[in-house]
Amino acid sequence: QLQLQESGPGLVKPSETLSLTCIVSGGSISSSNYYWGWIRQPPGKGLEWIGSIHYSGNTYYNPSLKSRVTLSIDTSKNQFSVQLRSVTAADTAMYYCARVSGELDYWGQGTLVTVSS
Amino acid sequence: QSALTQPASVSGSPGQSITISCTGITSDFGTYNLVSWYQQHPGKAPKLIIYEVSKRPSGLSNRFSGSKSGNTASLTISGLQAEDEADYYCCSYVGSSPWMFGGGTKLTVL
Repeated sequence: QLQLQESGPGLVKPSETLSLTCIVSGGSISSSNYYWGWIRQPPGKGLEWIGSIHYSGNTYYNPSLKSRVTLSIDTSKNQFSVQLRSVTAADTAMYYCARVSGELDYWGQGTLVTVSS
Repeated sequence: QSALTQPASVSGSPGQSITISCTGITSDFGTYNLVSWYQQHPGKAPKLIIYEVSKRPSGLSNRFSGSKSGNTASLTISGLQAEDEADYYCCSYVGSSPWMFGGGTKLTVL
């Protein structure tokens, strides 16, 4: 059974960089059939697509976040990561990672990141 | 503002059927059949319930069904149960973004 687990700091200061990693177990991140994505959800609000990455390194980003986001993937560790630069309080959210094909069929449990000084 | 529009809330009584719509404002939405739906209970991660417009993941109740006509996709839940009370999100491949979520619909079971 595929499992995804997010990890990273729960508190980030304004203007700094948010960095999260998603560890994939029970399957290979190097499958050509899938992308691996990040989604976030501010408290009490809806889901927002951040971006997705293929093991080949191909990436797609949400245009509204593209200037601040970088996704990376480490096939040797079966994990992928997101970096969001110059964060503000508006970036406070639950961050989820997920496997992406035509749909998002496996999700991590999510990790709450708060942006505050 | 989401390019996929959902009603903010819907409600129904146990045993009834409800339908949640998801309307796209770009031509991509009408072009691709990569519409999926997610159920999210409070404090939980979203769960895939419909993919490719109308397909159900293995083991999911057939009370959930999906359809699409033109630029509007729909999720129907029949035989409403208390456990169906949750938030529901549509999602679509829209080509340029390339993925986008609807704003979400809160389902209340009366």
